[in-house]
Formats: sequence, C-alpha cells, structure tokens
Amino acid sequence: DVKVTQSSRYLVKRTGEKVFLECVQDMDHENMFWYRQDPGLGLRLIYFSYDVKMKEKGDIPEGYSVSREKKERFSLILESASTNQTSMYLCASSRSPPENYGYTFGSGTRLTVV
Amino acid sequence: DAKTTQPTSMDCAEGRAANLPCNHSTISGNEYVYWYRQIHSQGPQYIIHGLKNNETNEMASLIITEDRKSSTLILPHATLRDTAVYYCIVRVAHSGNTPLVFGKGTRLSVIA
Repeated sequence: DVKVTQSSRYLVKRTGEKVFLECVQDMDHENMFWYRQDPGLGLRLIYFSYDVKMKEKGDIPEGYSVSREKKERFSLILESASTNQTSMYLCASSRSPPENYGYTFGSGTRLTVV
Repeated sequence: DAKTTQPTSMDCAEGRAANLPCNHSTISGNEYVYWYRQIHSQGPQYIIHGLKNNETNEMASLIITEDRKSSTLILPHATLRDTAVYYCIVRVAHSGNTPLVFGKGTRLSVIA
C-alpha cells in the first residue's frame, strides 16, 4: 500500500523554536507539496517541489522554508515558530504529470505553538 | 485555475445515492475536473477526475455536463463512512506541475 508518512501526528512547540516537519513518500513520486489547513480557510499551499533540490513558493510561504535533498523526503521548516503557525500541516505527493494522477496525502501533523 | 462553486453542506440518508454538484462555469477546454474528499482528522483523498466524458471507478461516478460548466459526483450507496468534506477542483491539463488549489468544499453528512 503506497504511503505518504508524516513524522508526527501531534506536536507542541514553543514560540521562537525552529521546527522541522518531515514527510516521506515511498512511491517514487517526483512532486511533493506542503499545505496547511485552518478552520474557515481551507487548505493553503505553502511550498512545493518538482524534483530533488528544487522548490517553489506557494500562496503562503512567509515564515517557512523547505528542504528536498532526496526524492522521497520533503521537509518543512518553521524558522522561528509563532502562535499563528498553529495549524494542521498536510504533506502530499504525486507522479508527473500531476494532472493525470491524483495527489496522495499524509495523515497530517497538528502543530500547536505555545 | 477556474473557480468552482459548491454548496456548503448536504445531507444524505444512508444507503441512498449522494449527488454532489459543482459549478465551474468559466472552465476552459483543457481543464480537468477533480474530486477529493477529506474525512475528519485525515488528509484529503483522491476520488476521481475527468475532462469531458463521464467517469466511473470503484469509489464514485463523475457526470460532466455537455457544456462542461457543471459536474456531479455520485456516491451510489452512501454509508456513514462517506461523511466528509468533498472538494471539486478544476485544473489545466498539461500545465506542468501547477499545484491543486482547494476551495471550501461541501460538507456531506450521511445520516442513519
């Protein structure tokens, strides 16, 4: 069964901490994505990557960075966590071209910044 | 990507067909229609997609009108486990790797 695995289901961090959210997929997909989901705002795209060492900004990249050193792993980094980054974070991957294939999502990481 | 309009919420009796509408009146000829759903506390799940013709898979059927300005996702025999938020998304085909943009979706409640 193909999978997108997010390292933590729940995470609590302090304001100002550097936070790493890890995502690993076992499907050899080229494309990977990070979204955040908040009540009333739906899913919003933070960053995405089409290939190793490549990254593109999404709609809300401020306060975040990403790393893709290996094809199967896409990390989301909160440089200095703030309370407004408390959210559900969802990672997804897809084969290319993505319009011909569905996205596979992970189960999400619920991050609370206190 | 073209915008979509979906009802905020719908109810469906268990065992009956759930018909979820989506309007995409500004859709272009090269845009696909995608459907995803998100069960509470899980990541979204791909259901089906199509361009012009109706599509069916093990999960659902997708009916696209001839003018392509609207579509309907049909869950033929809804169960309680189909309670979820359903997202209709239109996206340009062969657009490279433009990410999916999710709207607010329709909250489907399947009632026993």
